[in-house]
Amino acid sequence: AQSVTQLGSHVSVSEGALVLLRCNYSSSVPPYLFWYVQYPNQGLQLLLKYTTGATLVKGINGFEAEFKKSETSFHLTKPSAHMSDAAEYFCAVRETGGGNKLTFGTGTQLKVEL
Amino acid sequence: GAVVSQHPSRVICKSGTSVKIECRSLDFQATTMFWYRQFPKQSLMLMATSNEGSKATYEQGVEKDKFLINHASLTLSTLTVTSAHPEDSSFYICSAETGVSYNEQFFGPGTRLTVL
Repeated sequence: AQSVTQLGSHVSVSEGALVLLRCNYSSSVPPYLFWYVQYPNQGLQLLLKYTTGATLVKGINGFEAEFKKSETSFHLTKPSAHMSDAAEYFCAVRETGGGNKLTFGTGTQLKVEL
Repeated sequence: GAVVSQHPSRVICKSGTSVKIECRSLDFQATTMFWYRQFPKQSLMLMATSNEGSKATYEQGVEKDKFLINHASLTLSTLTVTSAHPEDSSFYICSAETGVSYNEQFFGPGTRLTVL
């Protein structure tokens, strides 16, 4: 069974500072990996995804993430935080080779301060 | 493209009544739709997988007689919460697959259900 761990349920950064949200996964086979953002009372919006190919993936709003197989990690970063980045972020994993279920991490609430 | 809508966005009902939530893929056909439940400050928990024209597959612990799912067309799936109780109050989110390559899921905006 696959699982996703997001370290830190709350992360607070200053505007303009680096954003780092951590995600580690466990899966019996190389997975597809996703980061979603959720604003209050809204559904999820895809930030970026890793399926195959280049391990450093770039997404919307200046976010990027790097798939590190040796560390089973897929951390999300953004060089400079903006107030509008304040939201809940979810890492998700899906096994390749069949099956279409997404398994979500518990989420990280990002707070951006002036 | 790949827009998913949900209706209603918010519903308040009395205990014992049934509530239907619609999930529509607006600009693509979705052979598979998913229903999630999200409690406050928590992650999404998959309730069931809905395939067009067949019975839904429910996750362990989800009562299929309480959460009725119908996927009658390639663009519409419905979730009916029967005999709702206050503990059913939650945020319900659907998603739909485009059926392309790695089958990315696109999420609806969610439905806030409050049972009094």
